[in-house]
Amino acid sequence: EDQVTQSPEALRLQEGESSSLNCSYTVSGLRGLFWYRQDPGKGPEFLFTLYSAGEEKEKERLKATLTKKESFLHITAPKPEDSATYLCAVRGNTGKLIFGQGTTLQVKP
Amino acid sequence: DVKVTQSSRYLVKRTGEKVFLECVQDMDHENMFWYRQDPGLGLRLIYFSYDVKMKEKGDIPEGYSVSREKKERFSLILESASTNQTSMYLCASSFGGQGAAYGYTFGSGTRLTVV
Repeated sequence: EDQVTQSPEALRLQEGESSSLNCSYTVSGLRGLFWYRQDPGKGPEFLFTLYSAGEEKEKERLKATLTKKESFLHITAPKPEDSATYLCAVRGNTGKLIFGQGTTLQVKP
Repeated sequence: DVKVTQSSRYLVKRTGEKVFLECVQDMDHENMFWYRQDPGLGLRLIYFSYDVKMKEKGDIPEGYSVSREKKERFSLILESASTNQTSMYLCASSFGGQGAAYGYTFGSGTRLTVV
């Protein structure tokens, strides 16, 4: 069964304090791993797609990496506006997008 | 920009009512999806569709049905609303068929409260 586990559930950082969010997955035939950002009361907003182990993508202070078993979302020198819930999802042979529970990030000024 | 528009941001309905949630996308996407999101349970797939007039059950289809008469529109129907269907409902769309590796574009969500 395809499964995604994110850790930690919640993360509090001071502004400028870099850290990483983890997404562990098991999937039959990985077709893509996706990171989304979700603000309270809104729909998820697409950030990155990773397709194969070793791949990396960057956007501003965010960098996503992928291995055969997990993905990391690295946040460098975060700002308060980076506060949100970050969702990881995988798409395998079933074609369905399977989501993790998310990591809620709070960045304090 | 791809847009996925959900007709209502907030809805309050009574138990037993038939409820329609509408979703429209403007980028000619083949695939459309309905999720519900609840604290502690994450996003759960209700129904999806890879083509017009096609529909497939997701992980929690009980109490729901869908309609896709046109490519751009995917409707979620709560046949007889119950309080345990109080939730945030999210519509999404993507390119490609079942085997495609595209990410989804989500709407802003409909917060449904059943009283």
